[in-house]
Amino acid sequence: QQQVKQSPQSLIVQKGGISIINCAYENTAFDYFPWYQQFPGKGPALLIAIRPDVSEKKEGRFTISFNKSAKQFSLHIMDSQPGDSATYFCAARENTGNQFYFGTGTSLTVIP
Amino acid sequence: KAGVTQTPRYLIKTRGQQVTLSCSPISGHRSVSWYQQTPGQGLQFLFEYFSETQRNKGNFPGRFSGRQFSNSRSEMNVSTLELGDSALYLCASSLAAATWGNTEAFFGQGTRLTVV
Repeated sequence: QQQVKQSPQSLIVQKGGISIINCAYENTAFDYFPWYQQFPGKGPALLIAIRPDVSEKKEGRFTISFNKSAKQFSLHIMDSQPGDSATYFCAARENTGNQFYFGTGTSLTVIP
Repeated sequence: KAGVTQTPRYLIKTRGQQVTLSCSPISGHRSVSWYQQTPGQGLQFLFEYFSETQRNKGNFPGRFSGRQFSNSRSEMNVSTLELGDSALYLCASSLAAATWGNTEAFFGQGTRLTVV
C-alpha cells in the first residue's frame, strides 16, 4: 500500500510557467515532509522540507504548501526553467524513526 | 563538507552470487538508511542503522542485510542474488535520531546493481 500518493506522474511546463506537484497521505504519525529532486544517474537531492505546524514554506522559486486537515501537501516551482527538468519525489517520515515513505515520483519537463 | 559516498558506483553480478555495497555518511552523521530504487516499485526502505544498531527494517527478505561500523560507515549485503534485485541502491545519511531539527536525510549517488 502506497503510504504517500503523488500526482501527476509526468508534467510538461513551458519555461517561465508554474509547476505544481501534489501529494497526499493518511498516516497522522507523519511529522516531516521533504521534497527531493533527482536527475538521471544521480541520487535524490533534498530540495525543501516542511513540518505540519507550518502551512507554507518558500525557498527561492520553490514553495511547499501544506494542508494538515486535508493531509495534502504540494510543491510549487515558480518561473520554471529547463534546468528544473528532473524527477521530483515527495516523502513523509514518521515521528518514531528515520524511515521515509516516498511518493512514486513526477517527471517534470520544462520546455524552452 | 564531503557528501555521502557510496562505492562502487556500478556492479554487475550473476544470479546466485552475493554482493556487498558500502556507504560513508556525511562526517558527524550517525544514522544511515538504505533504500532500493526500481522503476516499478520506486524508492523502498530497506533498513536503518544508528550507532551500530539496526533500528528499523523494511519489508525485504532476509537475503538483504546490513551493518554499521563504529565510524558510522555502513555496508549492505545481498546474498543469493536474483534478477529482481537489479536496482539502484541508495544510502541516506542523517545527523541523529528523529528529534526536532535532526531530520534531514541526504542521499548518496547510489550503487547501480545489475544481476544477470
